Amino acid sequence: GAVVSQHPSWVICKSGTSVKIECRSLDFQATTMFWYRQFPKQSLMLMATSNEGSKATYEQGVEKDKFLINHASLTLSTLTVTSAHPEDSSFYICSARTAGESEQYFGPGTRLTVT
Amino acid sequence: GQNIDQPTEMTATEGAIVQINCTYQTSGFNGLFWYQQHAGEAPTFLSYNVLDGLEEKGRFSSFLSRSKGYSYLLLKELQMKDSASYLCAVKRGSTLGRLYFGRGTQLTVWP
Repeated sequence: GAVVSQHPSWVICKSGTSVKIECRSLDFQATTMFWYRQFPKQSLMLMATSNEGSKATYEQGVEKDKFLINHASLTLSTLTVTSAHPEDSSFYICSARTAGESEQYFGPGTRLTVT
Repeated sequence: GQNIDQPTEMTATEGAIVQINCTYQTSGFNGLFWYQQHAGEAPTFLSYNVLDGLEEKGRFSSFLSRSKGYSYLLLKELQMKDSASYLCAVKRGSTLGRLYFGRGTQLTVWP
C-alpha cells in the first residue's frame, strides 16, 4: 500500500513553454501533498505544501506565479512550471501523506529538462 | 530556518558497520526521518524518531537526542546494495508536517 505515482517520469520542453506534472496517491487519500526539487548531487528542497481544496503554502524564495500548484482532489496534485527556463531543469519529486500520519510517501520523481 | 548537517561522503566495506551522523538546529521540531535514495530515484523511508533513544529495524537502527540536536543512522552487515545517498530530514510542526532535508550522505560500500 501507500503508493504515489508521478506523470510524466521525464519531460523535455522548450524555454518559455509551460509543463504540468501530476502526482497521484493510488491507494490512499492524501490530505497533504508536498512538492520538492532536487538538483544534481544536492538534497531535496521543499517548494510548497498543499492541502486538498485549499491554496498551497510556498516556501520562502519559491515563486508562486511560476510554480502553480493545484490540489483539486484527495488523490491528485499538479505542479505547473510556467514559462520554463533552463535553470528550472531539475528532478521534481512529490510526496503525500494522510491525516494523522507522520510518514510521507514519495513519488518516483519527474526529470524536467528545459532546452 | 533550519540547519541540517551531515557528512557528504562515507565509504565502508561489505559486512562492516557504518554510522551516519546528522545534527540539526530548528524551531518547531517534531521528529526526524532517515531516507535512502538511489541515484535518479525517489527517497525510500528507513526510520522515524520523535522521542529520544534508539529505534531498531533489522539491519538499520536510528538514534535521536533532542537536547543535543543529534541523530545517527547505523547500518550493520553492509551489503553492496546499501550504496546510496542517506538523507536526514527534520519534521517541523504538527499540522502540515513539512520535512526539511539535509544534503545527504553518499555511502559507497566496497567488496
